[in-house]
Amino acid sequence: QVQLQESGPRLVKPSETLSLTCAVSGYSISSGYYWEWIRQPPGKGLEWIGSIYHSGSTYYNPSLKSRVTISLDMSKNQFSLRLSSVTAADTAVYYCARGDSDNWNSLDYWGQGTLVTVSS
Amino acid sequence: QSVLTQPPSVSGAPGQRVTFSCTGSSSNIGAGFGVHWYQQLPGTAPKLLIYGDTNRPSGVPDRFSGSKSGTSASLAITGLQAEDEADYYCQSYDSSLSGYVFGTGTKVTVL
Repeated sequence: QVQLQESGPRLVKPSETLSLTCAVSGYSISSGYYWEWIRQPPGKGLEWIGSIYHSGSTYYNPSLKSRVTISLDMSKNQFSLRLSSVTAADTAVYYCARGDSDNWNSLDYWGQGTLVTVSS
Repeated sequence: QSVLTQPPSVSGAPGQRVTFSCTGSSSNIGAGFGVHWYQQLPGTAPKLLIYGDTNRPSGVPDRFSGSKSGTSASLAITGLQAEDEADYYCQSYDSSLSGYVFGTGTKVTVL
């Protein structure tokens, strides 16, 4: 059974960089699929942040592209998100997920999500 | 910023059938990109309900069905149950944005 678990600081100061890691178990991220980040501000809808293919190719939401970096760590079977210059608008629950490249990149496994608050 | 529009809410009595739409454009749904649907129960992560317009993952009841026509997609729930009360989101790829987009979300209430 594939499982994903987000981890990282829950509180980030404005203008600093948000960093999260998604640990994957039950599947080797080097074997395939896309690895994705999605966020959801409190009480609002879902927003796709970006994804990384197992080959290392990255794809970002154009509205966040200048601030986002997604990377893989094959040795630890995890992938990471970095979002720079954060503001209060970046306060959200951040989810990691697997994108099924065989099925139009549908998100078939999700982490439980972690709430990150941007505040001084 | 969402380019996929859903009705904010729909409701129905137990046992009834409800349907709701996900309206896009020629750069996403109308371009033939697959539409996926997710169910988000209160306080939990979204769960894949329908992928590639009409396909159900293993374990999803056949009460849930998806369809697509032109620039819109729809999700139908037949035999509505109390446990179906949740938020539902559609998702597709948008070629103009060169990225994935989610719908605005629909809250289903079981009366």
